[in-house]
Amino acid sequence: DTGVSQDPRHKITKRGQNVTFRCDPISEHNRLYWYRQTLGQGPEFLTYFQNEAQLEKSRLLSDRFSAERPKGSFSTLEIQRTEQGDSAMYLCASSLRSRQGMGGYTFGSGTRLTVV
Amino acid sequence: GNSVTQMEGPVTLSEEAFLTINCTYTATGYPSLFWYVQYPGEGLQLLLKATKADDKGSNKGFEATYRKETTSFHLEKGSVQVSDSAVYFCALSSNNAGNMLTFGGGTRLMVKP
Repeated sequence: DTGVSQDPRHKITKRGQNVTFRCDPISEHNRLYWYRQTLGQGPEFLTYFQNEAQLEKSRLLSDRFSAERPKGSFSTLEIQRTEQGDSAMYLCASSLRSRQGMGGYTFGSGTRLTVV
Repeated sequence: GNSVTQMEGPVTLSEEAFLTINCTYTATGYPSLFWYVQYPGEGLQLLLKATKADDKGSNKGFEATYRKETTSFHLEKGSVQVSDSAVYFCALSSNNAGNMLTFGGGTRLMVKP
């Protein structure tokens, strides 16, 4: 078990560019979550997958954001036409559906996005 | 909807001092409650949890009791160490929200030797 991996760790991009982040969950975990954390705030839910199905999306996830989990394994989060307000830490977490209620989430170290 | 409110930081303590970080919540149904810790440069780690009223979660000397009557889950530690310096997040999950985590804003703890 190598934990949840996120790539890249840091990304600096110019406003208007597109960026894509990758998350590799723990292999046997069937649920995968994306959260966004801005400086000094707690993480906010963006979206989650059960296997390859995207089951819920937050209102925070504007139409510039898209997430996929094509084979129920790794996931990507793409932001199109980035804005300075997108600067944040993007966190990925995974869990077993049966273990969620017991706090069975494992978080990655996050991807820090800076839009200049 | 669900929400979590925790005391703002930073909280600055001397080593061996007593720690309390307040957390209150609003939720429908019967949520599970958690404390997560985030050390500098690292991801969130589960510190402790409680899944029903009057449960006490404990780990590494930290404790928190699920108080349904006051909708609270305050974090306590009797004697903090410099290594406890981190940001602490209170969170809840509930069945009627797909078990997603709702976090508080975080409280930074700084422990001085």
